[in-house]
Amino acid sequence: DAGITQSPRHKVTETGTPVTLRCHQTENHRYMYWYRQDPGHGLRLIHYSYGVKDTDKGEVSDGYSVSRSKTEDFLLTLESATSSQTSVYFCAVRQGTSTDTQYFGPGTRLTVL
Amino acid sequence: AQSVTQLDSHVSVSEGTPVLLRCNYSSSYSPSLFWYVQHPNKGLQLLLKYTSAATLVKGINGFEAEFKKSETSFHLTKPSAHMSDAAEYFCVVSDLNNDMRFGAGTRLTVKP
Repeated sequence: DAGITQSPRHKVTETGTPVTLRCHQTENHRYMYWYRQDPGHGLRLIHYSYGVKDTDKGEVSDGYSVSRSKTEDFLLTLESATSSQTSVYFCAVRQGTSTDTQYFGPGTRLTVL
Repeated sequence: AQSVTQLDSHVSVSEGTPVLLRCNYSSSYSPSLFWYVQHPNKGLQLLLKYTSAATLVKGINGFEAEFKKSETSFHLTKPSAHMSDAAEYFCVVSDLNNDMRFGAGTRLTVKP
């Protein structure tokens, strides 16, 4: 499982509230990613990090922000949750080279009412 | 921009019969290609990957895939389906910057 944990695993919240999801890894991977999974879309990249304090936007970044203050933790924040952000969120990690495999965490199921 | 098309959203086979999950890709560069499997309420597990070495790639649990550049395809096969193979399968293309694009997924059902 590449030493990846996500918390919480399930969350129900209301529209307009802030939400932070945490991804924690224990194997010192340089790159970390946040994806969302929706039926019919596969996984889509939200944001990624290529080092401490180094992040960049992905395909569907609107409404999300991220932070990485330590190598092992990558936080995804929904500043004001909307119902369209109801989804399953996956964190992934990879080591160094561009052909390396991404390894995925167990996912967080978020429901925004 | 690169992209992936999984040609079947749902495939149903009987246990013991062959499995074929089809994937076509589009990429400007020599891509890396992956197949991941997701069992219900689980994360994604790597089945196999192609990174410009041998065109026939063998993965876990008896799966394999063949990279065909002329057809821009990377179909996943298994000679004999098992009940435990029932899951969703994702084909993924990755470029030089490891920008991964996922297909929409193929749900495999295995009938007894």
